[in-house]
Amino acid sequence: GAVVSQHPSRVICKSGTSVKIECRSLDFQATTMFWYRQFPKQSLMLMATSNEGSKATYEQGVEKDKFLINHASLTLSTLTVTSAHPEDSSFYICSARSRRGAPYEQYFGPGTRLTVT
Amino acid sequence: LAKTTQPISMDSYEGQEVNITCSHNNIATNDYITWYQQFPSQGPRFIIQGYKTKVTNEVASLFIPADRKSSTLSLPRVSLSDTAVYYCLVGVAGFKTIFGAGTRLFVKA
Repeated sequence: GAVVSQHPSRVICKSGTSVKIECRSLDFQATTMFWYRQFPKQSLMLMATSNEGSKATYEQGVEKDKFLINHASLTLSTLTVTSAHPEDSSFYICSARSRRGAPYEQYFGPGTRLTVT
Repeated sequence: LAKTTQPISMDSYEGQEVNITCSHNNIATNDYITWYQQFPSQGPRFIIQGYKTKVTNEVASLFIPADRKSSTLSLPRVSLSDTAVYYCLVGVAGFKTIFGAGTRLFVKA
């Protein structure tokens, strides 16, 4: 099956710093990538949708200036958490949709655990 | 986007068949039904997808009645490693995926 990777898998940063998380589709071209956030014992919450070469579409309540998303190529999307605060500590998951495959199939990355101290 | 409703949690024993039902009363004509499995601290994993009737693969079956207002994920002979959260999603290719609360399945020995 299609593989999506994320880097780093875990990151600890100090409050006020910025963190970049990479999401790559390893063996397919991703026309659309999605970023989710998941708090403990909760479901995934969609943060934004990005299409290659265009600006991301953010969900209501998600600060686009704080969570910068760049979808520079068909295999790479990045999420930058700017001026991170402890409340941004969460599990961030990306997913990608292939041009091929099942009509509505998304491939998910393994997630990135962000801890802000 | 069609809203989904699933049981919050289910318990089962090893070797049993588990059926998880999802309600999606306002499913649209073009919507597909997809089920994902998620283990703690991992990304969701695709299990099965269907549009109508029955779909079966090597890990599960998906039953969809004619009115498509619900669907049932069937896991045959579960094992301890099937303990996870199962999500039912309804949507159309190219559109965003909204996760519901999911069903927390706990398989006991």
